[in-house]
Amino acid sequence: ETGVTQSPTHLIKTRGQQVTLRCSSQSGHNTVSWYQQALGQGPQFIFQYYREEENGRGNFPPRFSGLQFPNYSSELNVNALELDDSALYLCASSSTSSGNIQYFGAGTRLSVL
Amino acid sequence: GEDVEQSLFLSVREGDSSVINCTYTDSSSTYLYWYKQEPGAGLQLLTYIFSNMDMKQDQRLTVLLNKKDKHLSLRIADTQTGDSAIYFCAENYSGNTGKLIFGQGTTLQVKP
Repeated sequence: ETGVTQSPTHLIKTRGQQVTLRCSSQSGHNTVSWYQQALGQGPQFIFQYYREEENGRGNFPPRFSGLQFPNYSSELNVNALELDDSALYLCASSSTSSGNIQYFGAGTRLSVL
Repeated sequence: GEDVEQSLFLSVREGDSSVINCTYTDSSSTYLYWYKQEPGAGLQLLTYIFSNMDMKQDQRLTVLLNKKDKHLSLRIADTQTGDSAIYFCAENYSGNTGKLIFGQGTTLQVKP
């Protein structure tokens, strides 16, 4: 167990809807990264948050957005859901004082119908 | 470029050693990682190696790093059925240390 918790575990949405996924980072960690893992693929970096600001972004459109809160927890928001957004969404937390080694949560499985 | 390559499948007998290989492209990566993913679960950090090291051993796990060839391997000694999972190699992209670049994963099947 890493101490990184994600909610909900599963979610079903329809195309065009909006979704919010949540992540609580491990105690002592100040950085949160989000990844999308499509079936049969490796995780793809969406973005990272540090000091409540986006600190790097992968090749994802602006309808993917996020927040980090003062307690270092984070949200991933996806607007105008598309069928291809169906995936496992993984959150990882890390500490800038410990080499940014990333520890992952169990993920949120999103299905878009 | 950003690319991490792994073979897709490996099958071994229980008790044998498993070796999972990976090649990466970013020679400036600071750390290289091995993660394990069991069905329906998140990623478990198995081990990582700092880029100035050649080898790291942690109980049954041995990581070898060849920086010249940009090749990383994970050896699991005395492989058990509980080791059956998907193993991902990852490098941290030097342009943004927060971004990990993952391979496609190697499915390890351990036969009794």
